[in-house]
Amino acid sequence: SQTIHQWPATLVQPVGSPLSLECTVEGTSNPNLYWYRQAAGRGLQLLFYSVGIGQISSEVPQNLSASRPQDRQFILSSKKLLLSDSGFYLCAWHHGTAKETQYFGPGTRLLVL
Amino acid sequence: AQSVSQHNHHVILSEAASLELGCNYSYGGTVNLFWYVQYPGQHLQLLLKYFSGDPLVKGIKGFEAEFIKSKFSFNLRKPSVQWSDTAEYFCAVNAADRGSTLGRLYFGRGTQLTVWP
Repeated sequence: SQTIHQWPATLVQPVGSPLSLECTVEGTSNPNLYWYRQAAGRGLQLLFYSVGIGQISSEVPQNLSASRPQDRQFILSSKKLLLSDSGFYLCAWHHGTAKETQYFGPGTRLLVL
Repeated sequence: AQSVSQHNHHVILSEAASLELGCNYSYGGTVNLFWYVQYPGQHLQLLLKYFSGDPLVKGIKGFEAEFIKSKFSFNLRKPSVQWSDTAEYFCAVNAADRGSTLGRLYFGRGTQLTVWP
């Protein structure tokens, strides 16, 4: 069966520090991968998605970036965190078509102080 | 761009009460519609989905949703809620007729449901 992991589960970082959040998927190949941010009362906002290795699409301008160095690995990064980057970050995957269910990871809670 | 509106931000019910959560979307083309649920301390998971056929869709745990195309709505219902239904519910939409954005979901803000025993 497929499993999705996110690391770390919780992170507290000072403003201006770098960020690296990791998402890995097991039990499947060539998934579409997504990074979402969930802010309280604001639902889920799509940040990045990837349909293959090295292929990244950005949905909103921001100081975050994403990379997909391997088929089942998706990384969310920042060179300098802002206070507004605080939130709950969710990784998701699915196969192929728009009808397919997206499966979500456990999330990473980021607090920028 | 597509958008999804969930009108109820927090709903509080007693057990056995009926539930209806509203969801409206803005997109004139063909859509796939989803309801996701996040129970306390658990992953976001699929509750039900619609992409074609019977507009009344049944999901897990006794939930159902009705797609009304003329109203751009996909409301979630349950005739009798339980304490274990306490969770946050998200409506989501994607465009079924846009090949370049396959799978891209637009989410509503979510509705927190609290059920008192």
